[in-house]
Amino acid sequence: IAGITQAPTSQILAAGRRMTLRCTQDMRHNAMYWYRQDLGLGLRLIHYSNTAGTTGKGEVPDGYSVSRANTDDFPLTLASAVPSQTSVYFCASSSTAGRGAEAFFGQGTRLTVV
Amino acid sequence: AQRVTQPEKLLSVFKGAPVELKCNYSYSGSPELFWYVQYSRQRLQLLLRHISRESIKGFTADLNKGETSFHLKKPFAQEEDSAMYYCALKEGSNQFYFGTGTSLTVIP
Repeated sequence: IAGITQAPTSQILAAGRRMTLRCTQDMRHNAMYWYRQDLGLGLRLIHYSNTAGTTGKGEVPDGYSVSRANTDDFPLTLASAVPSQTSVYFCASSSTAGRGAEAFFGQGTRLTVV
Repeated sequence: AQRVTQPEKLLSVFKGAPVELKCNYSYSGSPELFWYVQYSRQRLQLLLRHISRESIKGFTADLNKGETSFHLKKPFAQEEDSAMYYCALKEGSNQFYFGTGTSLTVIP
């Protein structure tokens, strides 16, 4: 069982370029999330989706967009990358059934915008 | 508004000493709280959740609604406990909010 897979593992991107970070899960979880992890700031929620076809904004959505065409995939797009988007990005998923359901995380994508 | 506060960015303890990582939350509803651990350059993984009242790797955490706290404790720290620890709050909307994390170093 793969769980959550993110691609690419790392990327160096020129400022102004468009980039899509991929995230796929095989656990049939309804909810999916994108976080960025920055030193001293912890994990901050960018966007989330509670079910296929719906998305919502998190704490730091500006400059990012997401789509949820199906249950398994939740890509994150940077339309025009800026250096402040240099970060480690984590995708996560969770069941929405019952209390105590945890979030499962991918291995992360290390993005450097130059 | 900061939903989860972890006041200590860095914490160092000697092997065998007790350790406590603090977490306070702000939420008006019925909270679901979790502790996640991230070992060096690995993905985050669940350590424990308040609803289970479990002990994992010797760690425990008790939800104190009066103090809005969910501190993580271990009576005797081990070197393999060195990692980044995140406290997380899950709101009714299924969104997980994380604290800024505490980097724990256990000194041999």
